[in-house]
Amino acid sequence: KQEVTQIPAALSVPEGENLVLNCSFTDSAIYNLQWFRQDPGKGLTSLLLIQSSQREQTSGRLNASLDKSSGRSTLYIAASQPGDSATYLCAVPISNDYKLSFGAGTTVTVRA
Amino acid sequence: DARVTQTPRHKVTEMGQEVTMRCQPILGHNTVFWYRQTMMQGLELLAYFRNRAPLDDSGMPKDRFSAEMPDATLATLKIQPSEPRDSAVYFCASSEYNEQFFGPGTRLTVL
Repeated sequence: KQEVTQIPAALSVPEGENLVLNCSFTDSAIYNLQWFRQDPGKGLTSLLLIQSSQREQTSGRLNASLDKSSGRSTLYIAASQPGDSATYLCAVPISNDYKLSFGAGTTVTVRA
Repeated sequence: DARVTQTPRHKVTEMGQEVTMRCQPILGHNTVFWYRQTMMQGLELLAYFRNRAPLDDSGMPKDRFSAEMPDATLATLKIQPSEPRDSAVYFCASSEYNEQFFGPGTRLTVL
C-alpha cells in the first residue's frame, strides 16, 4: 500500500522567504507525482506533475524535485508572497493504477 | 478555459433524503474520479471511470452510494439514504493522461 507523508503539517514564514515543502512515499515504483494547491473552501489546483523519468519540474517560482530511490519529492517556492498561503498536497498513483494516494498536506502561511 | 464543473456547490439535507451530485468533466478527458474530503480522513477516492466504464468503486459504501456516467459529459454520485456521517466535501476530477484536474466541490451537510 502506498503511503504518502508530508512534513511539516504547517509552516509560517515572512514574505520573501523561500519555501521548502517535503513529501515522502513508501513505494518508490511510482509513475509520476503531482503537487496540488488547495485554498480554504476551494478545490485542488494542479501545480506540477513530475514523470518518474524526470528529476525536476519548474513552473514560474515553483520547482519540484523527485528522488524515486529515496521516496522523496520537494516543492520549492521562491520569494514567497502572501498569495502563496494555502495548503499544498502531494499525490502519487497507487501502483500502476489511476488512483492517487494523497498526503495530508502542508498548510502554509506567508506573513506580510 | 477548460474546467471541471460541479453542481450543486452546497447542499443541506436531512438524514434519510436522497442526494445527487453532478459533475461535468473537461471535454476530451476520458477518466473521471469522485473523491470525498473530511478533516478526519483527508482525501479519499470513492470511485472512478474510464471511457464511462466503472473501473473501481471499492472506496464507496455500496449499500447507499452509487456512481454513474450516463454520457461522456456527465458523471453523477448519488447517496440514498443520506446519513450525518456523509457530511463532507465531494470532489470530481478528470484526466486525459496522468494529470488530474479537480472541480470546485460540493459541500454536503446532512442534518
